[in-house]
Amino acid sequence: AQSVTQPDIHITVSEGASLELRCNYSYGATPYLFWYVQSPGQGLQLLLKYFSGDTLVQGIKGFEAEFKRSQSSFNLRKPSVHWSDAAEYFCAVGNTDKLIFGTGTRLQVFP
Amino acid sequence: NAGVMQNPRHLVRRRGQEARLRCSPMKGHSHVYWYRQLPEEGLKFMVYLQKENIIDESGMPKERFSAEFPKEGPSILRIQQVVRGDSAAYFCASSPGGRPSEPQHFGDGTRLSIL
Repeated sequence: AQSVTQPDIHITVSEGASLELRCNYSYGATPYLFWYVQSPGQGLQLLLKYFSGDTLVQGIKGFEAEFKRSQSSFNLRKPSVHWSDAAEYFCAVGNTDKLIFGTGTRLQVFP
Repeated sequence: NAGVMQNPRHLVRRRGQEARLRCSPMKGHSHVYWYRQLPEEGLKFMVYLQKENIIDESGMPKERFSAEFPKEGPSILRIQQVVRGDSAAYFCASSPGGRPSEPQHFGDGTRLSIL
């Protein structure tokens, strides 16, 4: 069965530090992969997506993600975190007619 | 330039009452998805609809839950005889063509609280 795993429930970083959020997926075919961000009390905003081609994809707000088929991973990165990046981050895989989400990683940013 | 619109934002019901959640997709989108988010969890797919058709309801509980997307008007998620366990955030998303490669655009959700 298709699934998405985000092994880190909660991550804390200092402002200006680099960030990597992990995502592993289980999917039989070529996956469609997404990262979404959710601020408290809000809906989900798309950060970036991967379908094919270049395995390093750029998104909004300075985020990027790298697709590694051999590791079944799609990790999200940002070189320098801002306090406004504090939020919940969800990795998802597109499966025919639905998205399958991971359980999310909560990012806390200290000044 | 409206995105996906959900209302109400917050809904409080007593056990046994009915809850109706509404979703208007983005302009030009004819595919609607409903997801449920329980506290401290990710989003779980419930149902996928096109205008007047339910395409996939594999994530819907077998009883008390129903969804529709009429020819005119918003999509409605209906929960009859609500119970405490129905307390959650319910999100609606839409896409233009229903293809898995298309990002789904989400509304801000309805937070349902059951007293």
